[in-house]
Amino acid sequence: DIQMTQSPSSLSASVGDRVTITCRASQSISSYLNWYQQKPGKAPKLLIYAASSLQSGVPSRFSGSGSGTDFTLTISSLQPEDFATYYCQQSYSTPRITFGQGTRLEIK
Amino acid sequence: QVQLVQSGAEVKKPGASVKVSCKASGYTFTSYDINWVRQATGQGLEWMGWMNPNSGNTGYAQKFQGRVTMTRNTSISTAYMELSSLRSEDTAVYYCAREYQREMTELFDPWGQGTLVTVSS
Repeated sequence: DIQMTQSPSSLSASVGDRVTITCRASQSISSYLNWYQQKPGKAPKLLIYAASSLQSGVPSRFSGSGSGTDFTLTISSLQPEDFATYYCQQSYSTPRITFGQGTRLEIK
Repeated sequence: QVQLVQSGAEVKKPGASVKVSCKASGYTFTSYDINWVRQATGQGLEWMGWMNPNSGNTGYAQKFQGRVTMTRNTSISTAYMELSSLRSEDTAVYYCAREYQREMTELFDPWGQGTLVTVSS
């Protein structure tokens, strides 16, 4: 199976900060990479698909980049509602999907 | 709107089975695969498998082979995930999610609200 490794595992930041989360695949996955946001007690929500395409309704402060093995999720100016856990997910080896272990974004 | 609504929380004893339902609305149920993902408390997301509601074809993660069965009832637009021989490590929230393709990538959207399954003697 393709392993997905996120860094950092947790991150403290302040409202207004620019934040970057990294996801690395154990082999090349082209651009078959999605990002999800999960808030406590809620289901994950799709933010970014195909590495850099913004899902409809998602604020433009979220952006994604990368291809091959290295990917990033950037939040340009943190808002209070952005404090959550973020997961990357590869679909290169579909249907055998794998997720990263998650990055918890906390308020500093 | 497109929505997946799951059945309520379950408490099971070790060795028992659990069957979770996922009712779809707002789209043609047979046109999109349904996937199941679980999440133990404080842990990450673990993919369990997929089902094509039109054909009934399924595919399971190796970890769950032999213990999980995914089925559907197209007349009521509902998918099911049954997990047998439950053990304490199966205590988790179980999610269903609709799978579709955009720009050649498979993605999950939306997700059900989750079903907590607790395995305890």
